[in-house]
Amino acid sequence: NAGVTQTPKFRVLKTGQSMTLLCAQDMNHEYMYWYRQDPGMGLRLIHYSVGEGTTAKGEVPDGYNVSRLKKQNFLLGLESAAPSQTSVYFCASRRQGGYGYTFGSGTRLTVV
Amino acid sequence: GQQVMQIPQYQHVQEGEDFTTYCNSSTTLSNIQWYKQRPGGHPVFLIQLVKSGEVKKQKRLTFQFGEAKKNSSLHITATQTTDVGTYFCAGFIAGNKLTFGGGTRVLVKP
Repeated sequence: NAGVTQTPKFRVLKTGQSMTLLCAQDMNHEYMYWYRQDPGMGLRLIHYSVGEGTTAKGEVPDGYNVSRLKKQNFLLGLESAAPSQTSVYFCASRRQGGYGYTFGSGTRLTVV
Repeated sequence: GQQVMQIPQYQHVQEGEDFTTYCNSSTTLSNIQWYKQRPGGHPVFLIQLVKSGEVKKQKRLTFQFGEAKKNSSLHITATQTTDVGTYFCAGFIAGNKLTFGGGTRVLVKP
C-alpha cells in the first residue's frame, strides 16, 4: 500500500501563476484534509472533505480551492500564487470512525 | 487565534535525560492525539487519548490526558537521538477536523 501520495514534491512558482497539488490515497478513507505548515505556526487546515463530492473551508482557505471528484483524490488549487503561499503543504486522510490521520510526504512550494 | 497551545516551543535535551512537553486547549476536547514529525519528514500518528485522566505508555513515551480534558502531556524518559523531531498534539475542537498545536521541537545533545 502506498498510503497517501502527494505530487509534486517540490515546485517553484512565479507570482500570479496557477497550479494544482494532487493528493491520492489508496486506503478507501472517507475524510481528506489539506494543511499548510509554516515555521513556528504548526499545521493549519486549509480545506477538507468528508466524502466524495463534498468540500469545506478550514482555518486558512483564502487563495485556495479544492475538489474531490473521486473518493481517492483530493486536489488543492492555487489560482494566482502569492509569496505568502510559500509553504510546505501536507495532505492527510482518515477513515470514518478511525483514529489518527495518515499524512503524505508533503509538497514544498516556493512562490517568487 | 490558536486554540491548542504547546510549551515549550523548543526543548534541548541531553541524551539520557528525561523531559516533558505540554499541550493546553482553550476548550474541552473529546480526545487528543499526538504526532511526531522527524526533520524533513511528515507527521506520523503516535497515539490517541480519550478518557479523562487517561495515561498510556509506548516504550519510553508516556502520554497523559488531563482530568478536565483540556490539557495533555508527553513525557520521554532516557532521551535518545532517535527522539529528535517535532511533537504535535491535536484535538477535535469542532466537527471532523483536528486542530494542531504549534509543536515542540526536540533537539538532543549527545
